[in-house]
Amino acid sequence: EVQLVESGGGLVQPGGSLRLSCAASGFTFSTYAMNWVRQAPGKGLEWVSTINPPGSSAYYADSVKGRFTISRDNSKNTVSLQMNSLRAEDTAVYYCAKGSLLNDWGQGTLITVSS
Amino acid sequence: DIQMTQSPSSLSASVGDRVTITCQASQDISDYLNWYQQKPGKAPKLLIYDASKLETGVPSRFSGSGSGTDFTFTISSLQPEDTATYYCQQNDDLVYTFGQGTKVEIK
Repeated sequence: EVQLVESGGGLVQPGGSLRLSCAASGFTFSTYAMNWVRQAPGKGLEWVSTINPPGSSAYYADSVKGRFTISRDNSKNTVSLQMNSLRAEDTAVYYCAKGSLLNDWGQGTLITVSS
Repeated sequence: DIQMTQSPSSLSASVGDRVTITCQASQDISDYLNWYQQKPGKAPKLLIYDASKLETGVPSRFSGSGSGTDFTFTISSLQPEDTATYYCQQNDDLVYTFGQGTKVEIK
């Protein structure tokens, strides 16, 4: 059974940093692209970032480019999202999702950016 | 970036009704179009991929069609458990984008 478990969420002040992690199990992690998708309170889904299976290429939404960095450790089956220069509009539930089809999702972790 | 325009934003229908949602891409995305269902407080769930392929375990009352720029998602006979928000999403471009979502309620 595929499991994706996000961690690292919480309250952070504007301008601050936070690192999210997603622990994966139940599939061959190193063969799948991994993604972060977020959802602001009461809003729709917004794709944030994707990293390819070997971790050599990463892609970002314009809204986070230059502030967020996605990475992965295939030896530990984890994908991370380093978030810097956080803004109020980054407040959202952040989900990690598996593969180019986003066919499995974690339960999400809430990030609140507020003073 | 490719923009996805989804409509309607919400709808209300009776149990047993046929429900249709449309999604339009701002440029040709071939069949790189997926549909997700999200119930309140839950993570999204993939229902349809590659425009018309049913994900394993998804009831056959759900279907998708289209290619290029125009796509349709259909629930052939709406059930109470189908109350949810549905999203289209393109994965043709390496910058993925979602539609705005359609909230489906039971009348």
